Amino acid sequence: EPEVTQTPSHQVTQMGQEVILRCVPISNHLYFYWYRQILGQKVEFLVSFYNNEISEKSEIFDDQFSVERPDGSNFTLKIRSTKLEDSAMYFCASSPRTEGTQYFGPGTRLLVL
Amino acid sequence: SQQGEEDPQALSIQEGENATMNCSYKTSINNLQWYRQNSGRGLVHLILIRSNEREKHSGRLRVTLDTSKKSSSLLITASRAADTASYFCATDGGANSKLTFGKGITLSVRP
Repeated sequence: EPEVTQTPSHQVTQMGQEVILRCVPISNHLYFYWYRQILGQKVEFLVSFYNNEISEKSEIFDDQFSVERPDGSNFTLKIRSTKLEDSAMYFCASSPRTEGTQYFGPGTRLLVL
Repeated sequence: SQQGEEDPQALSIQEGENATMNCSYKTSINNLQWYRQNSGRGLVHLILIRSNEREKHSGRLRVTLDTSKKSSSLLITASRAADTASYFCATDGGANSKLTFGKGITLSVRP
């Protein structure tokens, strides 16, 4: 069964460094999402992406964040200058169509020191 | 109050018993979905129920939706130790397809 994959599974970085989290959505899906989950808290929406542009973004998704679909398969989340509070599990999700099931990847655990 | 609030926050049952988890939400929705998360792992989609549906089954799972009360319940029948996980409800608003998650319910099934 097709699934969303994410790399790396864990990333440790120093505050102020740039990180790129990578996702490979399910191949025939059209809608892509990033969410994050700070330890012990609820899953929070960051951004949705369709047709090579951002559909919606949350307040969390400020100028330090960007997303890109550099080729036909990868979907990336970049954090330009990481802060301690960016430490979280980051989930990528994809959906074949809007208003439907979103399939989540296993997540990247980001730790900012 | 937040969209998608589940209760109870934690539930501990014996293997073989049924587990019922509830979710309430505030705004109108298009779909409501339930996800499972094993400790430190990804989110696994369990079931989606549309706003015009009242009940849905999938294997040992039964979901109900009451849009007049803005609430949903997830019933897991004949629970197994492997059902031990956190369970989240998530709603989407239709035109805006982001998911809004609740805080989750921690289910422990004792062997």
